[in-house]
Amino acid sequence: DIQMTQSPISLSASVGDRVTITCQASQDISDYLNWYQQKPGKAPNLLIYDASNLKTGVPSRFSGSGSGTYFTLTISSLQPEDFATYFCQQYEKYPRTFGPGTKVDLK
Amino acid sequence: EVQLVESGGGLVQPGRSLRLSCEGSGFTFENYAIHWVRQAPGKGLEWVSGISWNSASIDYVDSVKGRFTISRDNAKNSAWLQMDSLTAEDTALYFCVRGTGTFDYWGRGTLVTVSS
Repeated sequence: DIQMTQSPISLSASVGDRVTITCQASQDISDYLNWYQQKPGKAPNLLIYDASNLKTGVPSRFSGSGSGTYFTLTISSLQPEDFATYFCQQYEKYPRTFGPGTKVDLK
Repeated sequence: EVQLVESGGGLVQPGRSLRLSCEGSGFTFENYAIHWVRQAPGKGLEWVSGISWNSASIDYVDSVKGRFTISRDNAKNSAWLQMDSLTAEDTALYFCVRGTGTFDYWGRGTLVTVSS
């Protein structure tokens, strides 16, 4: 199975901060990588697909990059509604696997 | 509006069975693969199973192989997850999701609690 790791597991930030989350795959997954945001008590919400494509309706302060085994999710200017947990997910192979999540909270 | 609505969760004893249902609306159900993803309390996301649009391709995570069975009926806009021989490790919120690799819509989930 392809193992996904994320760093950091948690971070504290302030409104307006630039935040970067990294995701690493245990093997080459090309750009078959998605990012999801999950708020407490809610289902995850797709933010970015194919490593760098923003889902329609997602604010442009979110961006994704990377390919192969190393990926990043960047929030250019953190907004109050962005405090949440972020998961990466690979779909190069079955089983689909998720990273452990990165919790972003208020400093 | 795309909607996925899960049902069928509940409290069940170890070793017993449960059948989860997922009904889709607001989109052409037969055009999309459907998956189940679960989340144990306070934990991360785990993909459980997926079924292609025509049921020709079915996959499971190793931990549920031989115990869970996924199925669908496009005429009913519905998919199911039959869960047998349940254990405490299956306790989780089960989400029905749309997509093949990219999960673009999620239901709200149905909670399965396995406990004596």
